[in-house]
Amino acid sequence: DAGITQSPRHKVTETGTPVTLRCHQTENHRYMYWYRQDPGHGLRLIHYSYGVKDTDKGEVSDGYSVSRSKTEDFLLTLESATSSQTSVYFCAISEGTGSSGELFFGEGSRLTVL
Amino acid sequence: AQSVTQLGSHVSVSEGALVLLRCNYSSSVPPYLFWYVQYPNQGLQLLLKYTSAATLVKGINGFEAEFKKSETSFHLTKPSAHMSDAAEYFCAGGGRRNEKLTFGTGTRLTIIP
Repeated sequence: DAGITQSPRHKVTETGTPVTLRCHQTENHRYMYWYRQDPGHGLRLIHYSYGVKDTDKGEVSDGYSVSRSKTEDFLLTLESATSSQTSVYFCAISEGTGSSGELFFGEGSRLTVL
Repeated sequence: AQSVTQLGSHVSVSEGALVLLRCNYSSSVPPYLFWYVQYPNQGLQLLLKYTSAATLVKGINGFEAEFKKSETSFHLTKPSAHMSDAAEYFCAGGGRRNEKLTFGTGTRLTIIP
């Protein structure tokens, strides 16, 4: 199994509070991604990183920010959580993109915003 | 950008029957296509991927998928369903080497004993 650890695995918070999810990898892969999974929508890319301090937006980036200060860590922050951000969040890593870009996923972080 | 469409959000088959999960892609360039499986309370894991080397791709757990350019399809099949195949399956695709993958909405497979 790919060495990907997400924390916390479960979190309940209230609207308006900040939340940070952490993804830690031991594979030294260059690319890291944050997805959210919602019924009827599949997985949607929030942000991704192609190196330390190099990040870019995905298709649903509003309300989220990310940081990557070390190869192994990729943080997802919700500055002010809203109920629409209740979801399961998955971190993924890959060595490359395109056909060589097989994604390895963490086990997910379930976030509930009340 | 590449997009993928999965037909059928829920599919039920009897144990031992053929499994067929449908995926269509839209792109004018050669696509990169993948099937992922998600078991309950777990992350996704790769079943198989199309790399243009062969149109029939074999994956893990007896699954295979056939790339059909004329139909823009990449359907997933397994000749004989097993109870352990119950999971959610996602088709994903990208149209260019550096394009981020787009996932379909998923198909939940239920196996009837």
